[in-house]
Amino acid sequence: EAQVTQNPRYLITVTGKKLTVTCSQNMNHEYMSWYRQDPGLGLRQIYYSMNVEVTDKGDVPEGYKVSRKEKRNFPLILESPSPNQTSLYFCASSAPSTNEKLFFGSGTQLSVL
Amino acid sequence: LAKTTQPISMDSYEGQEVNITCSHNNIATNDYITWYQQFPSQGPRFIIQGYKTKVTNEVASLFIPADRKSSTLSLPRVSLSDTAVYYCLVALKAAGNKLTFGGGTRVLVKP
Repeated sequence: EAQVTQNPRYLITVTGKKLTVTCSQNMNHEYMSWYRQDPGLGLRQIYYSMNVEVTDKGDVPEGYKVSRKEKRNFPLILESPSPNQTSLYFCASSAPSTNEKLFFGSGTQLSVL
Repeated sequence: LAKTTQPISMDSYEGQEVNITCSHNNIATNDYITWYQQFPSQGPRFIIQGYKTKVTNEVASLFIPADRKSSTLSLPRVSLSDTAVYYCLVALKAAGNKLTFGGGTRVLVKP
């Protein structure tokens, strides 16, 4: 089954403790992206990647890192999480010719205390 | 970046047609217009995509006027399960692939 898999589904952590949210897709998509969703603010793009070893900032990249060492994986790294990063995070991927047709993961609800 | 404007919310009743209009005044020549549906605590799901005129699939229709500065998603004969948030997405190729979603339209279908 074609899908985008995020882990974990829920995560509670404390300020400053490094964490990684994993994202994997099995559709051989070149484009992958991370979004955060906050009440009243819709979906905001954090980082995106056009291909392996190619990443770029989205609209809200501060406090986040990403890497794209393999085509299927695009982890989101929070080196020193802060409470304002408490949010619902989504990973998405798409084929190169249809970058607007995104496939989303189920989301990761992160709480930073 | 393309800025899209949608109504914040709409109410409807089962069996009615729901039309949601999205404004995107600075859409670029090569951009496509894509609509997504999102249920609570789930990732958005692709509904329909178009470039101009009209596109129809088994779920919805998308109407795009000649100037492409707006688009209208039409959901025929909605049911309670169509209660969701609907997002319009327009990608500006000139900005790389920063895909910026608008705030979405919350559609509530009542019995």
